[in-house]
Amino acid sequence: AQSVTQPDIHITVSEGASLELRCNYSYGATPYLFWYVQSPGQGLQLLLKYFSGDTLVQGIKGFEAEFKRSQSSFNLRKPSVHWSDAAEYFCAVGAGGYQKVTFGTGTKLQVIP
Amino acid sequence: ETGVTQTPRHLVMGMTNKKSLKCEQHLGHNAMYWYKQSAKKPLELMFVYNFKEQTENNSVPSRFSPECPNSSHLFLHLHTLQPEDSALYLCASSRTGAEDEQYFGPGTRLTVT
Repeated sequence: AQSVTQPDIHITVSEGASLELRCNYSYGATPYLFWYVQSPGQGLQLLLKYFSGDTLVQGIKGFEAEFKRSQSSFNLRKPSVHWSDAAEYFCAVGAGGYQKVTFGTGTKLQVIP
Repeated sequence: ETGVTQTPRHLVMGMTNKKSLKCEQHLGHNAMYWYKQSAKKPLELMFVYNFKEQTENNSVPSRFSPECPNSSHLFLHLHTLQPEDSALYLCASSRTGAEDEQYFGPGTRLTVT
């Protein structure tokens, strides 16, 4: 079975600073990888996903993520954070087919002026 | 109306009550999911339906009873709940299986008194 780890529970960055959220996964083959964002009181929204092809994936809201097979990582990045990016971010891994997707525990992002 | 909708958005119920949560998706998807999101815990997958058939029951107590009458609607019937069942219940849908991104509803905030 697959698993995913988000080592940072809470991160604080200044508005305009760069951001990197870490995600490590465990799965024997090439996984499906996702990043979702959840604003307070809302459901989760997909930022981007990866399965194959270019290892640098572009998403919505200026986010990107890079798949590194050798490190079993799929870190999320944004060059310049906006106050509206304050939310909780979830990494998820899936094996494909009808097998379930496993979500990480989430990283809560605080943006300070 | 588009996307995934959930009703009610908030629900307070006693331990002896019976209530139902409703989820509806207008995306033409064939898979639907119930998740439980509690504070300081990972997102917990409860049930998965593919083409109206239940394909995953993640060891959920029988006081939670799902129903999927068609690919667009999903219900979660609740009875004799416990206070620890208080949480945000999220519904999601996807085109087919785990390789497709999931679209989430806003959730139902359930409080069991």
